[in-house]
Amino acid sequence: EIVMTQSPATLSVSPGERATLSCRASQTVSNNLAWYQQKPGQAPRLLIYGASIRATGIPARFSGSGSGTEFTLTISSLQSEDFAVYYCQQYNNWPPYTFGQGTQLEIK
Amino acid sequence: QVQLVQSGAEVKKPGASVKVSCKASGYTFTSSGVHWVRQAPGQRLEWMGWINAANGNAKYSQKFEGRFTITRDTPASIAYMELSSLTSEDTAVYFCATGVRYCATWGQGSLVTVSS
Repeated sequence: EIVMTQSPATLSVSPGERATLSCRASQTVSNNLAWYQQKPGQAPRLLIYGASIRATGIPARFSGSGSGTEFTLTISSLQSEDFAVYYCQQYNNWPPYTFGQGTQLEIK
Repeated sequence: QVQLVQSGAEVKKPGASVKVSCKASGYTFTSSGVHWVRQAPGQRLEWMGWINAANGNAKYSQKFEGRFTITRDTPASIAYMELSSLTSEDTAVYFCATGVRYCATWGQGSLVTVSS
């Protein structure tokens, strides 16, 4: 099973600033990596797939990069609605398709 | 628009089984698959399994194999998950999501509470 590790666990950023979230895979997942956003009491929402492709309706301030074992989600200018938990997921090797433990993005 | 609507909350006793439904609309059900993902309180998302809606073939996480089954009703565009031999560790919100590989659109979640 591929282990996904996200860092940091919690990230404090001011509105308008840039946020950079990291995700590492225990073995290569090529570019088969997705990012999700989850707000309290809600289902996750797909942000990025294929490591760098924004899902339909996702604002351009969200961008993904990386391949192999190291990936990054960048939010260029944080808006109030962006404060949430973010998960990465590999879908290269299955079963299972594994998720990271999440990064809590909080207001500084 | 693509939408998944799940069945309501359930309370079960240890040792029982639970069956959760996921009704799809807004797309051709058999053109994709359905994932099942759960989230225990305060925990990370946990992928459980996936079904090919066209042919019914399913893949399961080894963690759940033997007590977890995914099925579908193609005329009704509904996917089901059934988890048996429940313990308190199965208390979680269970989500379905469309997609062949990544989870494109998610249902609202179904809370399953296991308590004696």
